[in-house]
Amino acid sequence: QKEVEQNSGPLSVPEGAIASLNCTYSDRGSQSFFWYRQYSGKSPELIMSIYSNGDKEDGRFTAQLNKASQYVSLLIRDSQPSDSATYLCASNTDKLIFGTGTRLQVFP
Amino acid sequence: ETGVTQTPRHLVMGMTNKKSLKCEQHLGHNAMYWYKQSAKKPLELMFVYNFKEQTENNSVPSRFSPECPNSSHLFLHLHTLQPEDSALYLCASSQYMGLAGGIYEQYFGPGTRLTVT
Repeated sequence: QKEVEQNSGPLSVPEGAIASLNCTYSDRGSQSFFWYRQYSGKSPELIMSIYSNGDKEDGRFTAQLNKASQYVSLLIRDSQPSDSATYLCASNTDKLIFGTGTRLQVFP
Repeated sequence: ETGVTQTPRHLVMGMTNKKSLKCEQHLGHNAMYWYKQSAKKPLELMFVYNFKEQTENNSVPSRFSPECPNSSHLFLHLHTLQPEDSALYLCASSQYMGLAGGIYEQYFGPGTRLTVT
């Protein structure tokens, strides 16, 4: 069964620090990977996609992909209290497989 | 706004009622999806429509009935639901490039919070 694993957290970081969120996936055929942010009571919002090994940066967010290790991560630099949310990792073959999400808490 | 709208945003229904959820996407995508999100569980894919054709039905009970009249609209018809069906129901859309190309980014609507009493 294809799975995406995430630590449920909560991951607590102080304001201004780097938050590191991790995800592993089981299907070696996965072609692309996505990070979604979900605030409590709201729907998932796409924040990053990554298709190739290495790093992809977008503002304060950096996604990292290592297909050999089947590992995806999301780094959030200069974390803000407004970044407090659940972060969902998803992998794609013929459909998206979502992890259960990691809850991030950024405290002032 | 992501370009995907859902109505209603909240719905309370009895176990004998019939209701429908509506989704509309303004992104020009060719694939639409229904997901169920319950507390402490991963997003559960319910139905997939590619080019208006249903291509996935993840063993969803028949009390849930999807309808996709065109590539911009998606409905989920509900009847004789159970209390355990209470959840957030999310619609999403994406561009689908076939088995070789896979799917690109999925964009979600705001969801319908369903409570079955």
